[in-house]
Amino acid sequence: GDSVTQMEGPVTLSEEAFLTINCTYTATGYPSLFWYVQYPGEGLQLLLKATKADDKGSNKGFEATYRKETTSFHLEKGSVQVSDSAVYFCALKTGANSKLTFGKGITLSVRP
Amino acid sequence: GAGVSQSPSNKVTEKGKDVELRCDPISGHTALYWYRQSLGQGLEFLIYFQGNSAPDKSGLPSDRFSAERTGGSVSTLTIQRTQQEDSAVYLCASSLEGLYNSYEQYFGPGTRLTVT
Repeated sequence: GDSVTQMEGPVTLSEEAFLTINCTYTATGYPSLFWYVQYPGEGLQLLLKATKADDKGSNKGFEATYRKETTSFHLEKGSVQVSDSAVYFCALKTGANSKLTFGKGITLSVRP
Repeated sequence: GAGVSQSPSNKVTEKGKDVELRCDPISGHTALYWYRQSLGQGLEFLIYFQGNSAPDKSGLPSDRFSAERTGGSVSTLTIQRTQQEDSAVYLCASSLEGLYNSYEQYFGPGTRLTVT
């Protein structure tokens, strides 16, 4: 079945550091890929998405590129801020059904 | 406009009791999903509705769990004879359509269920 694997956390960075959160997937067919974010005390919200190979999703300074050859969708940001502290989930959705399959999530803490 | 709403926000119940969790999707969204977020299992899919029918119930963990949707809108997730392992945050999401697209799923704030 479909699955998403995220790097182990938590991750703690200093403000303005470079961020990479790894995500790889296994899926039947050609999935759409997503990063969701859950800020403290808030609900889950979509951060960015990519629907086909080589697409790059971007939002709020975050980027992720859909790499079919390595089945990856790593999240990057050049300079993190304290306000980026949150839990980040990688997810996929295939055409066969509509459910989102999530990775375990990773907690990012950014210190001033 | 209004987002996805869920009620109650918190529910504490005794083991063995039945509970009902409610979800009000975004108006006009035909697809509705239930997920469960727990410390040990992460975010798990439970059930998906397209209109009032549920083409995918594969994530329901046992026959104690059921869900219905009426009028293509409100959905209720019912857990019978609750067990301590049912303790989790139950999330509802809605989107415009399902099956063959990647429309964004909008999530509600969740219902935190604690079974004592």
